[in-house]
Amino acid sequence: GENVEQHPSTLSVQEGDSAVIKCTYSDSASNYFPWYKQELGKRPQLIIDIRSNVGEKKDQRIAVTLNKTAKHFSLHITETQPEDSAVYFCAASKGNFNKFYFGSGTKLNVKP
Amino acid sequence: AAGVIQSPRHLIKEKRETATLKCYPIPRHDTVYWYQQGPGQDPQFLISFYEKMQSDKGSIPDRFSAQQFSDYHSELNMSSLELGDSALYFCASCRTPPTGELFFGEGSRLTVL
Repeated sequence: GENVEQHPSTLSVQEGDSAVIKCTYSDSASNYFPWYKQELGKRPQLIIDIRSNVGEKKDQRIAVTLNKTAKHFSLHITETQPEDSAVYFCAASKGNFNKFYFGSGTKLNVKP
Repeated sequence: AAGVIQSPRHLIKEKRETATLKCYPIPRHDTVYWYQQGPGQDPQFLISFYEKMQSDKGSIPDRFSAQQFSDYHSELNMSSLELGDSALYFCASCRTPPTGELFFGEGSRLTVL
């Protein structure tokens, strides 16, 4: 099955700095890679996703890059704000109602 | 917009008791997933259903069972509860062929005493 690894497990940045979270996956058939933000005690919410036919996607301060050859994808948050503090999960899926495999999560702390 | 509805939101049970969690997916979503999330852990896949049939199975204990009904709602039944079953249980739904986005419910927090 798929194995998704996520690093780092915790990340502390100063407000305004950038944050980068990296994930690797093992199954080359995976073709959909979402990122979820989860605040304490709340549900994961999708913040950005990327499919295997593109290498980069950006939405305001958030961007995701995908390297299919190396089987890794990364989340980039620029101009971080205290409200960005949360746990971020990457995931991989082959689509077509296959299960989503989650990374172990990164706890991001943005210091004001 | 309608979201994934889970009930109950909180549940307290004793060891060896039984619990049932319910999930109502977003209308027209035909795939339902159940995830278990322990404190500080990532969501662990339990089981999924597509068009009322089990489509995939993960690390779901034999003490647990689930099904999806004709109205697409799903129930997760947990018997002989153990302390280690205490967790946040998320239901998520998506539409197949998948737009990709997995919508999560608010979760049901199960505490086993």
